[in-house]
Amino acid sequence: DVKVTQSSRYLVKRTGEKVFLECVQDMDHENMFWYRQDPGLGLRLIYFSYDVKMKEKGDIPEGYSVSREKKERFSLILESASTNQTSMYLCASRRGLGYNYGYTFGSGTRLTVV
Amino acid sequence: AQKITQTQPGMFVQEKEAVTLDCTYDTSDPSYGLFWYKQPSSGEMIFLIYQGSYDQQNATEGRYSLNFQKARKSANLVISASQLGDSAMYFCAMREGYTGNQFYFGTGTSLTVIP
Repeated sequence: DVKVTQSSRYLVKRTGEKVFLECVQDMDHENMFWYRQDPGLGLRLIYFSYDVKMKEKGDIPEGYSVSREKKERFSLILESASTNQTSMYLCASRRGLGYNYGYTFGSGTRLTVV
Repeated sequence: AQKITQTQPGMFVQEKEAVTLDCTYDTSDPSYGLFWYKQPSSGEMIFLIYQGSYDQQNATEGRYSLNFQKARKSANLVISASQLGDSAMYFCAMREGYTGNQFYFGTGTSLTVIP
């Protein structure tokens, strides 16, 4: 069964800390994505990657960076965590091009910044 | 302008009844795909159903069907014979263009099935 694995379900970090959220997929998908989910706002795209070492900004990249050194792994980095980055973070992957290729999501990481 | 609009923050339905969750979309691209996802309290997003802009027939997957009205730009999800396990958040999403990578999500509808 295809799988997207996020390393942590719950995370509590202090303001100013550098935070790494890890995502690994075992489907050999080219595309990987990081979203944050907030009540009333739905899912908003932070960054995505369509190939190793390639990245594109999404709608809300400020305060975040990403790394994709290997095809199966896509990391989201909070350079200096702030309380307004408290949120649910969802990683997703998708096969290449094609109308009906949907996302496969991970279970999410609920991050609290105190 | 919002790409995807879900106007129902919360919905209630009696067990075994049918329920319709609304979704309207906004795009000028003739090629697009529409998706519905379910998010239970566990947090994982589960793919339910897909409709392509050129598909002639409404998509169906088991108890899920998509009422696709292209002229009105609506893609409502219909769940028949609701079950208690259907209680969850439901998100409508759109991908634009054949090569489009980004999905646009609505704000979601929280569905509660009442026994």
